[in-house]
Amino acid sequence: ETGVTQTPRHLVMGMTNKKSLKCEQHLGHNAMYWYKQSAKKPLELMFVYSLEERVENNSVPSRFSPECPNSSHLFLHLHTLQPEDSALYLCASSPHERVTYSGANVLTFGAGSRLTVL
Amino acid sequence: QKEVEQDPGPLSVPEGAIVSLNCTYSNSAFQYFMWYRQYSRKGPELLMYTYSSGNKEDGRFTAQVDKSSKYISLFIRDSQPSDSATYLCAMDAYSGAGSYQLTFGKGTKLSVIP
Repeated sequence: ETGVTQTPRHLVMGMTNKKSLKCEQHLGHNAMYWYKQSAKKPLELMFVYSLEERVENNSVPSRFSPECPNSSHLFLHLHTLQPEDSALYLCASSPHERVTYSGANVLTFGAGSRLTVL
Repeated sequence: QKEVEQDPGPLSVPEGAIVSLNCTYSNSAFQYFMWYRQYSRKGPELLMYTYSSGNKEDGRFTAQVDKSSKYISLFIRDSQPSDSATYLCAMDAYSGAGSYQLTFGKGTKLSVIP
């Protein structure tokens, strides 16, 4: 496996379900990200992990809970979601983290997990 | 005013045409300007990036940045059906340790018709 891998690719869940999205990067990068992509809206940054430590949370509702057990894996735990949370959830990684690096922050994205909340 | 404005299209052109995709921005702190390409059912992939003002060419693609006008462009020469995708502009600035300012446009959906 190369690059950034996300599973599952598609997920349908009810508002009372609990599910998790998984991301794995095989690039040796130091930072990992969760983005939400909705139709006709820019990519929205949800969470950033740098060297396994969360460094940014863009005021995301608590029904989304991230977990980064090591520098290669990232999870997004979902519970009691709303229909408006239906979107494509993208995981990304980058070689550097903003704590020490001031150059271009180039991201490598996974293919995304398409979430539908009924 | 949104930080990054990008016309979502859709834009449809005949094969071989020159395509011009554009974004405007309001944050003068942006230093890095990127273009990502996203095929259907895939994640975005970096096409090219430039630092500060000027042009950068890579094959059929040219990225142009005009910081004085806060305007960036991506030109595609001799467009091919395989260029059909959504193109997202993104801009970044370093504003101190732990601060993330990578901001995306909405993306422009391009179709190149054979």
